[in-house]
Amino acid sequence: DAGVTQSPTHLIKTRGQHVTLRCSPISGHKSVSWYQQVLGQGPQFIFQYYEKEERGRGNFPDRFSARQFPNYSSELNVNALLLGDSALYLCASSPSGLDYEQYFGPGTRLTVT
Amino acid sequence: AQSVTQLDSQVPVFEEAPVELRCNYSSSVSVYLFWYVQYPNQGLQLLLKYLSGSTLVKGINGFEAEFNKSQTSFHLRKPSVHISDTAEYFCAVTLNQAGTALIFGKGTTLSVSS
Repeated sequence: DAGVTQSPTHLIKTRGQHVTLRCSPISGHKSVSWYQQVLGQGPQFIFQYYEKEERGRGNFPDRFSARQFPNYSSELNVNALLLGDSALYLCASSPSGLDYEQYFGPGTRLTVT
Repeated sequence: AQSVTQLDSQVPVFEEAPVELRCNYSSSVSVYLFWYVQYPNQGLQLLLKYLSGSTLVKGINGFEAEFNKSQTSFHLRKPSVHISDTAEYFCAVTLNQAGTALIFGKGTTLSVSS
C-alpha cells in the first residue's frame, strides 16, 4: 500500500506570494494533520482535519489555512509568505485522528526568498 | 500544557557502541510517548511508542525505551549501533484526545562513525 504522499517535493517562492501544498493520506485514513519543521527544530503542529472538519489548530497566524476534501486529501495554504515560513512541511495521516496512530509523509521543502 | 526536552542536541558514538538518547517531558495529565527517527531529506518514521502497560517498550531496528513516570523520562537506548543509525531522533508526547497534536522535542542528532 502507498504511504502518505505530498506534492510538490520542493518549491521556491518569493516573499508576499502564496503557496498551496498537497497531501494524500494512506488509503482508508480519514484524518490529516499538518506540521511545520523549521531547520534544526522539531515539527510544530499547524492543523488537524478529520472527516473534512477542522479538529485542531496550532499557534499559527491566519495566513495559514487548510481544508480536507471528500476523498480525505488535504491542502495547506499559506498567504503573504514571509522568510520565516521557509521550512519542511509535513503531512501525517491517521485512521481516526488519534495522534498515536500518525503516519508521516516525506514532506514539502518550502524556501521563501 | 505538555512539553518535551531532549537533553542532548548531538550524540557522537562509534559503531557497535551502546547509545542512550535522553528525553524528559512535562505534563499535568497522563500522556502517550513516542520516539521518531528522521533520515536526511525524509519524513518521520515511528520507532516506538508507549501508550500503557509495560514501561519497557521495544521498537524497530533494535531500539527500546523505558518510561519512568516518577522521573518523567522516556530515554531511548540501543545496545549496539550501526553506521546506518545516523539520523535525527525526536521524542514526542500527546494526549489521548482527538485534535490534540504531537508535541515534539528539538531533536537529537546521532552520529555513528567507524
